[in-house]
Amino acid sequence: GDSVTQMEGPVTLSEEAFLTINCTYTATGYPSLFWYVQYPGEGLQLLLKATKADDKGSNKGFEATYRKETTSFHLEKGSVQVSDSAVYFCALKGFQKLVFGTGTRLLVSP
Amino acid sequence: DAGVTQSPTHLIKTRGQQVTLRCSPKSGHDTVSWYQQALGQGPQFIFQYYEEEERQRGNFPDRFSGHQFPNYSSELNVNALLLGDSALYLCASSLVEASYEQYFGPGTRLTVT
Repeated sequence: GDSVTQMEGPVTLSEEAFLTINCTYTATGYPSLFWYVQYPGEGLQLLLKATKADDKGSNKGFEATYRKETTSFHLEKGSVQVSDSAVYFCALKGFQKLVFGTGTRLLVSP
Repeated sequence: DAGVTQSPTHLIKTRGQQVTLRCSPKSGHDTVSWYQQALGQGPQFIFQYYEEEERQRGNFPDRFSGHQFPNYSSELNVNALLLGDSALYLCASSLVEASYEQYFGPGTRLTVT
């Protein structure tokens, strides 16, 4: 079945450092891919999405490119802020549902 | 424009009891999905409702049931609670023609003792 694998956390960075969170998927065909963010005590917020191969999703300085050759959708940001500290989830669109990875916690220190 | 709302925020129940969680979708949305998020894990799909019927179901036992009302709001019911049912329960709403673009509520934290 469909599945998503994310790098384990926590990822600990200093402010203004470069961020990469790896995500790979297993699915039939080329599903839409998403990154969601969950701040402490809150629900999930859609961060960005890509609906077909080679698409680049971007939002709030975060980017991810849909790579069908490597079945990957890695999340990147050039300069993280303390306010980016949260849990990030990679997800794919399955049949009438979203399939999530286990999440990666990001901790950014001043 | 109100987003997805859920109630209650927190709930503590005893093993064997039953619980009902409620969700109001984002204005204009007609489809509601429920997810269970255990501590330290990603959300797991429970089921989805559209036009008051269950469209799709994940790998959850029949103790988990749901309902959607004519105003598109929804309830999640869990019977015979187990300790393992302790989790954050998330409701997500969408339009049926764009069910991949789901908007999540803040969740209900259920603790079973």
